[in-house]
Amino acid sequence: DVKVTQSSRYLVKRTGEKVFLECVQDMDHENMFWYRQDPGLGLRLIYFSYDVKMKEKGDIPEGYSVSREKKERFSLILESASTNQTSMYLCASSRDHSYNSPLHFGNGTRLTVT
Amino acid sequence: AQSVTQLGSHVSVSEGALVLLRCNYSSSVPPYLFWYVQYPNQGLQLLLKYTTGATLVKGINGFEAEFKKSETSFHLTKPSAHMSDAAEYFCAVIISGAGSYQLTFGKGTKLSVIP
Repeated sequence: DVKVTQSSRYLVKRTGEKVFLECVQDMDHENMFWYRQDPGLGLRLIYFSYDVKMKEKGDIPEGYSVSREKKERFSLILESASTNQTSMYLCASSRDHSYNSPLHFGNGTRLTVT
Repeated sequence: AQSVTQLGSHVSVSEGALVLLRCNYSSSVPPYLFWYVQYPNQGLQLLLKYTTGATLVKGINGFEAEFKKSETSFHLTKPSAHMSDAAEYFCAVIISGAGSYQLTFGKGTKLSVIP
């Protein structure tokens, strides 16, 4: 079974701090994704990556960057955290680009920026 | 552009009652449709999907959904609700020809099951 592991379940950071959210998948999936989940807004795609060192902006990339140095690991970086980035962050992976390749999600990291 | 509308951000049903969660999509080309479920304190997992073929698709835990092109709908149903069905449900769409990174999610419907 595919496992997507997010390193932290809860994180509290101060405004202006640099924040790293880490995600690891164990099934050699090509694609990895970072979503943000907010009540009433559903899931919004921040960034995705279809290969090592490759990245594409999603719907809401502002204030975020990503890094994929190894196939199994995809990091989300908040260069200078702000209170409006308080949210639940979900990492996901998929086998390939096919529409038939479902997303597998981690359990999420709840980030609070104070 | 594709979009998904889930009617009702919260739905409550009694245990044993029918579950009906509504999803309508907007797409200029034939879509592929998905339902994901998120149990408390967990990530999302795939419940079922429609790609081609039979318009009535069955998923895990007794859920099913019917693709109705004429109504642009993909409603999720379960004949008899169980307490363990309490979760948030997300409808999602990809247009045909698009990749998995172009999945668009609805805003979610939180299902409560009353004993």
